[in-house]
Amino acid sequence: AQSVTQLDSHVSVSEGTPVLLRCNYSSSYSPSLFWYVQHPNKGLQLLLKYTSAATLVKGINGFEAEFKKSETSFHLTKPSAHMSDAAEYFCVVSDISNDYKLSFGAGTTVTVRA
Amino acid sequence: DGGITQSPKYLFRKEGQNVTLSCEQNLNHDAMYWYRQDPGQGLRLIYYSQIVNDFQKGDIAEGYSVSREKKESFPLTVTSAQKNPTAFYLCASNRAANEKLFFGSGTQLSVL
Repeated sequence: AQSVTQLDSHVSVSEGTPVLLRCNYSSSYSPSLFWYVQHPNKGLQLLLKYTSAATLVKGINGFEAEFKKSETSFHLTKPSAHMSDAAEYFCVVSDISNDYKLSFGAGTTVTVRA
Repeated sequence: DGGITQSPKYLFRKEGQNVTLSCEQNLNHDAMYWYRQDPGQGLRLIYYSQIVNDFQKGDIAEGYSVSREKKESFPLTVTSAQKNPTAFYLCASNRAANEKLFFGSGTQLSVL
């Protein structure tokens, strides 16, 4: 079965500095990988999705992620953090072994300092 | 506007009581899901339904029940058998497996 590990439970950055959220996955098949964001008291919103096309995926709000099969990683980055980026971020994997049901990581809380 | 509506936003359950969380979508999606969110554990799948009148257990189905009598609706009942129901519950839907999930705004369930 597929699984995902988010390596940092909490990331704190200063406004205007780069953001890096790390995610490693496990899958025996060609995985689909997602990053979702959850702002306080709201549902989840899809940031970006990888499905075996280009390994560098661009998402909304300036975020991007790179799929590295050799490292089984799908890290999320943003060049310059904004105060509105403060939220919970989830790395998610799915593959055919589990009928494409999603497996969520434990989440990374991002705080942005002024 | 299309979307997923969950109600109520906050719900309190007494010991031994069953409570039902509502989830309605007007996106014409075939598949619907219920997730439970606990701090530090990500989201865990409770039940899912890929078509009307059919549903399957997810990873943590014990103590929960669902129904899917209409395409638009996928209510979740938290039964008295669920001994630790306090959590944030999220409903989601998508057009088909492996497609983008749309989420509701969630229901926070607490035990009195």
